[in-house]
Amino acid sequence: EDKVVQSPLSLVVHEGDTVTLNCSYEVTNFRSLLWYKQEKKAPTFLFMLTSSGIEKKSGRLSSILDKKELFSILNITATQTGDSAVYLCAVVGGSQGNLIFGKGTKLSVKP
Amino acid sequence: ETGVTQSPTHLIKTRGQQVTLRCSSQSGHNTVSWYQQALGQGPQFIFQYYREEENGRGNFPPRFSGLQFPNYSSELNVNALELDDSALYLCASSRLLSGANVLTFGAGSRLTVL
Repeated sequence: EDKVVQSPLSLVVHEGDTVTLNCSYEVTNFRSLLWYKQEKKAPTFLFMLTSSGIEKKSGRLSSILDKKELFSILNITATQTGDSAVYLCAVVGGSQGNLIFGKGTKLSVKP
Repeated sequence: ETGVTQSPTHLIKTRGQQVTLRCSSQSGHNTVSWYQQALGQGPQFIFQYYREEENGRGNFPPRFSGLQFPNYSSELNVNALELDDSALYLCASSRLLSGANVLTFGAGSRLTVL
């Protein structure tokens, strides 16, 4: 069975801290891995990763994929209260080629 | 460009009833997918529509059905509602490209079944 596992499930940090969110996967017919941020309802797209070892960056956020070890990490530096959200990892693959999501990591950033 | 819009935003139904949720795709997108997100869980794939036909389905029973219209808008219908159907239903659209599937999500419809 295809699965995506995220850790930790929840995390509380203080403003200015750096966090690393983890995503491991066992998915057949892997095509890509995506990260989304979900603040209230609509998940918003952060990154799509298809190749190992190539870091994607957007401001204080960065992500990298290891297709050999089947995992990805999402780093957030100098966290702000606005980073508080659920971060979802999803893999495109499986028999249907759809997004297979993990349960998410709930990040809370305290002032 | 307009994003993905869903209606209604919230609704309450009772067991056994039927519900229809609606979704307008982002401009330029030709594929729509529906996901169910239970509280504290990641979204689960229900099905996907392309060119008005279902072209992928997750592990959901037949009482979950859908439609896609020529303007790429979509409906999700759920019959014989059960308590466990209570969830956030997310619609997402994309432009179907080989090897890429960046979905744009709507804000969802929160369904409560009593």
